[in-house]
Amino acid sequence: QVQLLESGGGVVQPGKSLRLSCTASGFTFKNYDMHWVRQAPGKGLEWVAVISRDGTITNYADPVKGRFTVSRDNSKNTLYLQMGSLRLDDTAVFYCTRALGPFDYWGQGALVTVSS
Amino acid sequence: DIQMTQSPSTLSASVGDRVTISCRASQTISSWLAWYQQKPGEAPKLLIYKATSLESGVPSKFRGSGSGTEFTLTISSLQPDDFATYYCQQYYHSPLTFGGGTKVEIK
Repeated sequence: QVQLLESGGGVVQPGKSLRLSCTASGFTFKNYDMHWVRQAPGKGLEWVAVISRDGTITNYADPVKGRFTVSRDNSKNTLYLQMGSLRLDDTAVFYCTRALGPFDYWGQGALVTVSS
Repeated sequence: DIQMTQSPSTLSASVGDRVTISCRASQTISSWLAWYQQKPGEAPKLLIYKATSLESGVPSKFRGSGSGTEFTLTISSLQPDDFATYYCQQYYHSPLTFGGGTKVEIK
């Protein structure tokens, strides 16, 4: 069965960096665009970033552009989100998702708390 | 960016009720719209894609309709497991955007 498992969340100070990972199983990872979506505490869903199947094309939401970098290693079935210059309003649960249009599978989420 | 506006933001209903949630796009998105259900502490779950197509394994009590800019999610005969927050999302154009959510509460 399809599984997406995020890791790397935690508490980080403003201005610091953190890297999230998402390990995929149960499907052919290299055949799917992959996305990150976040949800601030008590708030709605916000799309963050996308990476194409072969990793050559990426796109980002304006609030994270220039600070976050999405990448993937298809040999390891793993998606990454490198987050830099973290701000208090980046505090959220970050989900990795698979997409062929809509997001049909989601990970359980990784909580990132930015706090001094 | 395409803005997605959901209404109402909160909906109080009873078991057995039929409820309707609306979603409006700020510009036409054809039928590139999905609906998700999210329960507290869980990841969202895809219910409907391409505005009207039911995701595999999702009960037929969930029905999506609409195209262009106006969309609707209808849930027939609400059961306790259906009380959750529902989000619409357009995947017509980047950046992908979600509606603000509709929380369906027990009356």
